[in-house]
Amino acid sequence: GAGVSQTPSNKVTEKGKYVELRCDPISGHTALYWYRQSLGQGPEFLIYFQGTGAADDSGLPNDRFFAVRPEGSVSTLKIQRTERGDSAVYLCASSPSQGLYEQYFGPGTRLTVT
Amino acid sequence: GENVEQHPSTLSVQEGDSAVIKCTYSDSASNYFPWYKQELGKRPQLIIDIRSNVGEKKDQRIAVTLNKTAKHFSLHITETQPEDSAVYFCAANYNQGGKLIFGQGTELSVKP
Repeated sequence: GAGVSQTPSNKVTEKGKYVELRCDPISGHTALYWYRQSLGQGPEFLIYFQGTGAADDSGLPNDRFFAVRPEGSVSTLKIQRTERGDSAVYLCASSPSQGLYEQYFGPGTRLTVT
Repeated sequence: GENVEQHPSTLSVQEGDSAVIKCTYSDSASNYFPWYKQELGKRPQLIIDIRSNVGEKKDQRIAVTLNKTAKHFSLHITETQPEDSAVYFCAANYNQGGKLIFGQGTELSVKP
């Protein structure tokens, strides 16, 4: 079956602009996770959803970052007033449920803020 | 606290040798420990995982061991092949939930 998909694959934006990153999880997976990965580092947790609600948003770095999952499937990560330090690969993962279930990653969106 | 330490950061072995990567974690409530393989420019790929109710799990040439008392877990790859070359990440879940804390990664190079 289809895996996790993310769009766009690459996004270049100017400092101060607003961006939206989209994630389509594996069909039927109720848990969805956002991580970001800088060069040479492991993925860093941002937020995860169980269904439509954010179960843990402790990794969002500040209030410029926001994520939604209104129908419990597709999720959008929104970044306002982008800064150069936001440049990274944003990874999405999904799992059948939260907790002790395998998380399968999408290909990521490479965000570059100039 | 939430911390996963991974060693070594780089590892070079000859084809056919074994490779071992070690991780320690700080959250005593962690009960799920996956390992991911990431090739350059690609997504992290789950290769094996272990839950806290077992001490060892094996899948062909890959095995993972867990010592909950010491908060250590390790990845063992036997009979390494050049296609095993990649960056490997360990992770532990936080407070028995879905949030994963990742180690810093180990770049494994298998020389033919």
